[in-house]
Amino acid sequence: KAGVTQTPRYLIKTRGQQVTLSCSPISGHRSVSWYQQTPGQGLQFLFEYFSETQRNKGNFPGRFSGRQFSNSRSEMNVSTLELGDSALYLCASSLGEATDTQYFGPGTRLTVL
Amino acid sequence: AQSVTQLGSHVSVSEGALVLLRCNYSSSVPPYLFWYVQYPNQGLQLLLKYTSAATLVKGINGFEAEFKKSETSFHLTKPSAHMSDAAEYFCAVSDPGGKLIFGQGTELSVKP
Repeated sequence: KAGVTQTPRYLIKTRGQQVTLSCSPISGHRSVSWYQQTPGQGLQFLFEYFSETQRNKGNFPGRFSGRQFSNSRSEMNVSTLELGDSALYLCASSLGEATDTQYFGPGTRLTVL
Repeated sequence: AQSVTQLGSHVSVSEGALVLLRCNYSSSVPPYLFWYVQYPNQGLQLLLKYTSAATLVKGINGFEAEFKKSETSFHLTKPSAHMSDAAEYFCAVSDPGGKLIFGQGTELSVKP
């Protein structure tokens, strides 16, 4: 079974721009969660989508948004990029129960200049 | 609220030596606990998961962890370190909604 895939793997943007990241979950998984990883803050939860609905949300500003499509693929969007948004963005998929294991993709490395 | 503390941001061991990475958790409900490993420029790979079925959990690559409720700990061990074990290790607890709450990570170095 193919794992979680994320595109693109690397991205360079400038302040003020917006960016869209994509995540394809493991086949059959209906939940996709997004995490931000930075050296200073570590791994932080952004949001989770299940059956095209945002089911859980972390403590990030409204510039961070996402969506999920009917095939469970998910996109994350960040508008008006700031230098502090530079991070590794990881998505994880699971079957959907709260206790299910989350399987992570390789991440998208975003650099904001 | 759930939280995780990993003691020691850097741990260095010699090849063949015991690996011990410490994790303490705080949870208001019976926890689901995880250890993940991250190699450079990669995502997180699941090492093992505690689900209350057994207190000693065996994972991949020879790693295991023991759940100790009285100590609120879930330390990760491996009897004999290999050079390939060098990576960053994360302990995590899931909250009732399924969100993973991670510790700050422990970077493991293995000396030849």
